[in-house]
Amino acid sequence: DTEVTQTPKHLVMGMTNKKSLKCEQHMGHRAMYWYKQKAKKPPELMFVYSYEKLSINESVPSRFSPECPNSSLLNLHLHALQPEDSALYLCASSQDPYSYNEQFFGPGTRLTVL
Amino acid sequence: AQKVTQAQTEISVVEKEDVTLDCVYETRDTTYYLFWYKQPPSGELVFLIRRNSFDEQNEISGRYSWNFQKSTSSFNFTITASQVVDSAVYFCALREYTGANSKLTFGKGITLSVRP
Repeated sequence: DTEVTQTPKHLVMGMTNKKSLKCEQHMGHRAMYWYKQKAKKPPELMFVYSYEKLSINESVPSRFSPECPNSSLLNLHLHALQPEDSALYLCASSQDPYSYNEQFFGPGTRLTVL
Repeated sequence: AQKVTQAQTEISVVEKEDVTLDCVYETRDTTYYLFWYKQPPSGELVFLIRRNSFDEQNEISGRYSWNFQKSTSSFNFTITASQVVDSAVYFCALREYTGANSKLTFGKGITLSVRP
C-alpha cells in the first residue's frame, strides 16, 4: 500500500466555522507533512511531524492547528479562517524525516473559505 | 540558500512529440537530493524520480528520461513520444542533506499541455 489518503476532498467553510482535515497512511512512514498550495504555485510547507512529534512549524498562524494522534494519522484543525486561506491542502509522508527519502503525497483537500 | 529554477512556465506540444523540461538548481552543499514530481489536474503530486548528488548517471524509465549534470547544476526531464495523459504540472525539487529539518524546495512548476 503506497497510498496517502485525505478527507474530505472538498470543504467549504465560513470564517466562524471549525473543521478538520484528515490524512492517513499505512506505509509505516514516520514523517508526515502538511503543505498549502495556491493556484499556479508550488506547495508551501506548513508543518512536519517526525516520529509523532511536531518538528517544524513554518510560522503558520494559530488558526491552523496540527495534530498527530498516532503514526498513521495526521489532522489539521481549522478555526476562524480567512478567505485568503482558500487553497489545496496536501498531506505527505516519508519513511523518515531525512533528506534522501521521497515524500508521497495525498490527493489533497480543496478548501474554500467564504 | 537553496533554489530551484524552472524557467519554462508553460509548454504546449502535439501528441508524439518529444519534450524536455528544464531544471536548474543552486546549493552550497555537496550532498543533496533532487526530485521530480508530476501534478495532474486531480491535484495529487506523483513522485517520479529521486537522484542524489553523487549519482550522475542518466536514468530512463519507459518514455521518461532524466539528464543530471552537476557541471551545469541541471536536472532535466525528457518525455519521449508525449501523450495526452502527460498533461500536468511538473515540479523539480531539491533537498539539502542537513538532517531531519531540511526542507524540500520546489521550483515554480512547468505546465505541460499535450494536444491530441
